[in-house]
Order: sequence, then structure tokens, then C-alpha cells
Amino acid sequence: AQSVTQPDIHITVSEGASLELRCNYSYGATPYLFWYVQSPGQGLQLLLKYFSGDTLVQGIKGFEAEFKRSQSSFNLRKPSVHWSDAAEYFCAALNDYKLSFGAGTTVTVRA
Amino acid sequence: GAGVSQSPRYKVAKRGQDVALRCDPISGHVSLFWYQQALGQGPEFLTYFQNEAQLDKSGLPSDRFFAERPEGSVSTLKIQRTQQEDSAVYLCASSLNRVETQYFGPGTRLLVL
Repeated sequence: AQSVTQPDIHITVSEGASLELRCNYSYGATPYLFWYVQSPGQGLQLLLKYFSGDTLVQGIKGFEAEFKRSQSSFNLRKPSVHWSDAAEYFCAALNDYKLSFGAGTTVTVRA
Repeated sequence: GAGVSQSPRYKVAKRGQDVALRCDPISGHVSLFWYQQALGQGPEFLTYFQNEAQLDKSGLPSDRFFAERPEGSVSTLKIQRTQQEDSAVYLCASSLNRVETQYFGPGTRLLVL
């Protein structure tokens, strides 16, 4: 079955430390891949996307993600987190027109 | 430019009541989608419109759920005889076409008592 998996439910990171959020997908072909962020009570904001080409993609707010076909992964990274990065992060895959989301990873930032 | 807007932002309904949720997509976006997000979960696909045509409604949970986009712009998701399990955030998204990036609205949080 086609699916997106985010293995980490909750991650706590210190302000200024680096952050990596994991995402694995299970599809026959490489889907289009996305990372969205959702702050409490808000909708989903697009951080970045991968369609094809360069496997390291840059997004907004200092985030980047690397597509690794051999590992079926699309992990999100940020070198130095800010308190405002506390939110829920969703990895998603586009199959034709449907977005399939992982269950999300909640990021807590401690001072 | 303006993003996707949704109204109301919050809705409290008594069990058995009908509700209507509105979505205004980004101007010029041909494709429109509805998703349901249960508490602590990722969004789940409900239905997809290309202009005014509803091309996929496979994600609608039951026949109590109905969506329309009569003029190819604004869309309404209607839930008849609401049940407690309908409590969720309903997200609308739009895109230029079916395989382009989907941009989401702020969602409508529905609570059925």
C-alpha cells in the first residue's frame, strides 16, 4: 500500500540546536514530496517540495530537505532552530492529485 | 495575493444538526480539495474538484457528506445530521492544476456535541 511514515511522534530540541525530522515513503514510483508546517490552530504552510532534479531542496524559514531514493526518504533539516519553529510538521506525497500525509511530528523547542 | 480562505473558522453543532463549511480558493486555481484532520492525525483526503466537476469523492466518510463547487470557484462542504465522530478540522486546499502544489486554508474546526 502507498503510504508516508514519520517515525518520530514528538521531538524536543534546544533553541539553537540542529533539527532533523524523518520521513519515509512507500510508492511504486517516486512521488512528488512535500513538507508542511502547522502551528496551533492554523492551516498547513508549505515549507518545501521535491518534484525532480537536485535532491537537496531549500525551503522557507531556513529549512532544507534531502531526497534519497535508495532509502525512500525525504528528511527535513534545520541547522539552528528558533523558538518559533515549535509546531507540528507533516511530510506528504502527491499521488496523481491526492496528498497522502504522515501522522506528523510535534517539535518542542526548549530555551 | 490572497490565500485560501475558509469560513467559519469554528463551528459548534448539536448532534443531528446540518452544517455548511465554505472555502474560497486562490483566484485562478482550477483544482480544489477537501481534507479532514482528526485530532493528532495527518489530514485525510475527502474530495477533489476540477473547476465545477467533482472528479473524486472517494474519501467522503458517508452519504451524509456532500460537496459542491457550482461555478468553479467557491466550494461548500455540507454535513447532514452531524455525529460526534464528525468532529475534526476540515481543510480546503487549491492548486493551479491537479499535480501542482496544494495551498491550504486555515481550516474550519467542527465540534459536534
